[in-house]
Amino acid sequence: QVQLVESGGGVVQPGRSLRLSCVASGFTFSSYAMHWVRQAPGKGLEWVAYISFDGTRKYYADSVRGRLTISRDDSKNTVHLQVTTLKHEDTAVYYCARDLGWEPPDYWGQGTLVTVSS
Amino acid sequence: QSVLSQPPSASGSPGQRVTISCSGSSSNVGSNTVSWYQQLPGTAPKLLIYNNDLRPSGVSARFSGSKSGASASLAISGLQSDDEADYYCAAWDDRLKMAFGGGTKLTVL
Repeated sequence: QVQLVESGGGVVQPGRSLRLSCVASGFTFSSYAMHWVRQAPGKGLEWVAYISFDGTRKYYADSVRGRLTISRDDSKNTVHLQVTTLKHEDTAVYYCARDLGWEPPDYWGQGTLVTVSS
Repeated sequence: QSVLSQPPSASGSPGQRVTISCSGSSSNVGSNTVSWYQQLPGTAPKLLIYNNDLRPSGVSARFSGSKSGASASLAISGLQSDDEADYYCAAWDDRLKMAFGGGTKLTVL
């Protein structure tokens, strides 16, 4: 069965950087595009990044452009999200999700919590 | 401010039918397919509807989706207590980003 397991979250000071990872299993990872979506405490879902199946296309939300970098390592079935210059408003649960083929995601991981606090 | 507009709340009694709307524009809902998600407290979103009106395997037939122009709707029939959750719509936007609705909190009275 499809599984997505995120890691890398924690408490981080403002201005620092963080790299989140998502390990996929149960499907041919190299054939699928992937997304990162975040959810601030008590708030709705906010899409932040997309990477195509071959890694050639990367899209970012306007609100985070320039501070986020999405990448993938097909040899490890892993997608990463690098977040730099962290701000308090980056505090959220970060989910990775599998693209359904230029449709919104189908499978989601359980999420990893990032708390930006001094 | 979410790109897609949803009512913040909806409610219904057990057994009733409720509808949740999702309003977008020609660059997202109007030109791309819509998905719907259910999110129970403390859990990840679960796909309920994709490609406007298709249900993934295992999703109850009580959930149905529709789309007309730049608006979409999720209908839940035979409302049950465990349908109480947050519901989100989503669609690609032609400006190369994914758009989500702000979410609708469904209360079963």
